[in-house]
Amino acid sequence: KAGVTQTPRYLIKTRGQQVTLSCSPISGHRSVSWYQQTPGQGLQFLFEYFSETQRNKGNFPGRFSGRQFSNSRSEMNVSTLELGDSALYLCASSLNSNNEQFFGPGTRLTVL
Amino acid sequence: EDQVTQSPEALRLQEGESSSLNCSYTVSGLRGLFWYRQDPGKGPEFLFTLYSAGEEKEKERLKATLTKKESFLHITAPKPEDSATYLCAVQGSGAGSYQLTFGKGTKLSVIP
Repeated sequence: KAGVTQTPRYLIKTRGQQVTLSCSPISGHRSVSWYQQTPGQGLQFLFEYFSETQRNKGNFPGRFSGRQFSNSRSEMNVSTLELGDSALYLCASSLNSNNEQFFGPGTRLTVL
Repeated sequence: EDQVTQSPEALRLQEGESSSLNCSYTVSGLRGLFWYRQDPGKGPEFLFTLYSAGEEKEKERLKATLTKKESFLHITAPKPEDSATYLCAVQGSGAGSYQLTFGKGTKLSVIP
């Protein structure tokens, strides 16, 4: 069974640009969550989608947004990038929202 | 607000030297406590889910236990390949809340 895949694996952007990250969950999983990981803050929850609906959102500014498609694939978008947005962005999928989450390899975003 | 504290931040063990990692948590109703292993540059790898106090789970050299306030990850006779960062996370049972709240992790180094 294929795991969670994320594309691209690495991105370099400059301040003010926007970026879109993609996540394909494990087949059959309906819940997709996004996390930001930095050395100082650790893993922080961004948002969670279930059946195309955003059900939870973490304490991040409105520049961070996401969506989920009917095939459960998800994208997250960050607009007006700031230096502090440099991080590893992780996607996780689960069968339902209260099951264990399985993580993808992440997208390493560097903002210059 | 759910909180997770892991200790120690870093741990160096000789190969074969058993030890335990601690995860203390506060949560408004525990839906589940999760242990993950993360290798450098990779996404977290799921290890265990614990649901109620007194529960224990084992996998190879690892054993996870749960009380009402903390969880322990016991590592018996570790090998160098057990070197990684171990992450603990909780999922609370608040209405509509399915996010994981993570601790900062314990970085384990096993020396041959």
